[in-house]
Amino acid sequence: DSGVTQTPKHLITATGQRVTLRCSPRSGDLSVYWYQQSLDQGLQFLIQYYNGEERAKGNILERFSAQQFPDLHSELNLSSLELGDSALYFCASSATGGDYGYTFGSGTRLTVV
Amino acid sequence: GENVEQHPSTLSVQEGDSAVIKCTYSDSASNYFPWYKQELGKRPQLIIDIRSNVGEKKDQRIAVTLNKTAKHFSLHITETQPEDSAVYFCAASRGKGYSTLTFGKGTMLLVSP
Repeated sequence: DSGVTQTPKHLITATGQRVTLRCSPRSGDLSVYWYQQSLDQGLQFLIQYYNGEERAKGNILERFSAQQFPDLHSELNLSSLELGDSALYFCASSATGGDYGYTFGSGTRLTVV
Repeated sequence: GENVEQHPSTLSVQEGDSAVIKCTYSDSASNYFPWYKQELGKRPQLIIDIRSNVGEKKDQRIAVTLNKTAKHFSLHITETQPEDSAVYFCAASRGKGYSTLTFGKGTMLLVSP
């Protein structure tokens, strides 16, 4: 157990639907990152939050949004889902920023049918 | 922004051989370079990292070298074993505050008995 908890582990949904992925960071970590992993795209950075505030944005679609709550857990919302959104979504946390390695959660596998 | 190129995309070796994976980065301000190992269906895990104030770091059978002038760094695995088979990702960041990690596309290492 890495200390980073992601739920659910698997999610199957239809095109056009909306889903919410949840992440609880490791105890003491203030930064949360979301990454999308598709078969041929490696780890694509989506968004970073630090202590409740958005800090950096990567290749995140407008249909996707995220937030970090006062208890530091984070949620990634994916709407108007398309087949191409099927991927493994990882959450990672770190104490501060990219000056130390991230600890990844086990991921949520999203399948859009 | 930072761009990290990783080669090769796949690498097959015989058990006991050495394996080398190479990465180049574009941002001369990057100074933190971690490597992650991802086994099939599992989360990426940090295996070794290096900062720009050193040129080489070793941990048992794993070593990482850094050439800041040429902006490239490499992962060396000696005496490979079947359990080393996994996807390896390099990454880079400015290593300050809220900077994020940029990942390479990964190298699938297959170690045959």
